[in-house]
Amino acid sequence: SAVISQKPSRDICQRGTSLTIQCQVDSQVTMMFWYRQQPGQSLTLIATANQGSEATYESGFVIDKFPISRPNLTFSTLTVSNMSPEDSSIYLCSVEELGRSYNEQFFGPGTRLTVL
Amino acid sequence: GENVEQHPSTLSVQEGDSAVIKCTYSDSASNYFPWYKQELGKGPQLIIDIRSNVGEKKDQRIAVTLNKTAKHFSLHITETQPEDSAVYFCAASREYGGATNKLIFGTGTLLAVQP
Repeated sequence: SAVISQKPSRDICQRGTSLTIQCQVDSQVTMMFWYRQQPGQSLTLIATANQGSEATYESGFVIDKFPISRPNLTFSTLTVSNMSPEDSSIYLCSVEELGRSYNEQFFGPGTRLTVL
Repeated sequence: GENVEQHPSTLSVQEGDSAVIKCTYSDSASNYFPWYKQELGKGPQLIIDIRSNVGEKKDQRIAVTLNKTAKHFSLHITETQPEDSAVYFCAASREYGGATNKLIFGTGTLLAVQP
């Protein structure tokens, strides 16, 4: 399967600031997704990152808070804007690969964010 | 909305014993059911999945069974080893030809295999 990397792997940020998380894949993929995993919790889909167009957000998530870019088939960014302690979570990108069965999603290692 | 319930939340077994984790889904149109293993400090790893056209799938020590009528599916791990210790998540989604739908995840099961 594709090798997925995320930067940074972890960060500690101050309230009110923003952090941009990068997701890089070593091969072209059809779909890229961003998930949030709050401490000790399950995974919640934030949005689908669409190549060359605006992301598709899930209920409860908005573009102003979580702007997403996907300039090509191997790269995407998620920004967590105007952070508060409630944004402390693991942020994960996942991908669906070209040529694989639909819905097989593979996850990156995650970005562990702590907001003080 | 769609919902996936997962039980138990924690499971402790002795090395060599079997472990079973069960999930129930609400969306009767769901037809794809993956299982993920998440080790501490890592992202979830897809370990096995099943589609609704089969009732069981095996891969070495792990197997998944699906009961579409009852809308539940289970993960079975035999001959457990300490390295099986992790959090396991089930998920469900609809899979249409050419289209992608989101995964709905269960709440997770922390499996501890005691040596």
